[in-house]
Amino acid sequence: DTEVTQTPKHLVMGMTNKKSLKCEQHMGHRAMYWYKQKAKKPPELMFVYSYEKLSINESVPSRFSPECPNSSLLNLHLHALQPEDSALYLCASSSLTAGNTIYFGEGSWLTVV
Amino acid sequence: AQSVTQLDSHVSVSEGTPVLLRCNYSSSYSPSLFWYVQHPNKGLQLLLKYTSAATLVKGINGFEAEFKKSETSFHLTKPSAHMSDAAEYFCVVSPYGQNFVFGPGTRLSVLP
Repeated sequence: DTEVTQTPKHLVMGMTNKKSLKCEQHMGHRAMYWYKQKAKKPPELMFVYSYEKLSINESVPSRFSPECPNSSLLNLHLHALQPEDSALYLCASSSLTAGNTIYFGEGSWLTVV
Repeated sequence: AQSVTQLDSHVSVSEGTPVLLRCNYSSSYSPSLFWYVQHPNKGLQLLLKYTSAATLVKGINGFEAEFKKSETSFHLTKPSAHMSDAAEYFCVVSPYGQNFVFGPGTRLSVLP
């Protein structure tokens, strides 16, 4: 069973709405990730947090705003999204040791209408 | 630069027959290698992991993979496919730190 929990599982939002995706892990991992996955494609990295600080931002549009309130929580704030942003958003976590494994949540299905 | 090639976008096998999903990688480092499975409408589940210990790695659900450095390969096998194995499979290379490079994926179909 996954130990990375994501809410909500499904979200439908209009292009003018503001919503948030939430992620929680209790494995003591100090790296947390957001990925975007379109159908029949591998996940694409969006953001990485290390020790609660943003360490990687893969040139993601500013309508996506990540937040890491503490070592267990990761949020993705959404505002003024476009229909092409509809996708599966995956949260993941890993330790920061060599040979670390990345663990994924079940994802949040986002539909922008 | 690191990259991962999964040689087949789609593999179809009959139930009870062997499964072979191929993965080749390039990396400037001695990487960690992983296989993940994604069932429809689900997240990614770790099948197995190689990190410079035994070259033959056993995973969950009867899957195993063999690391061959000379061939830069990490192919995934299972002796006997089950209907529940039908899913998307991703080979992943991690050369260091939080850098995880995904292959394009292989869709496995299992025919009755």
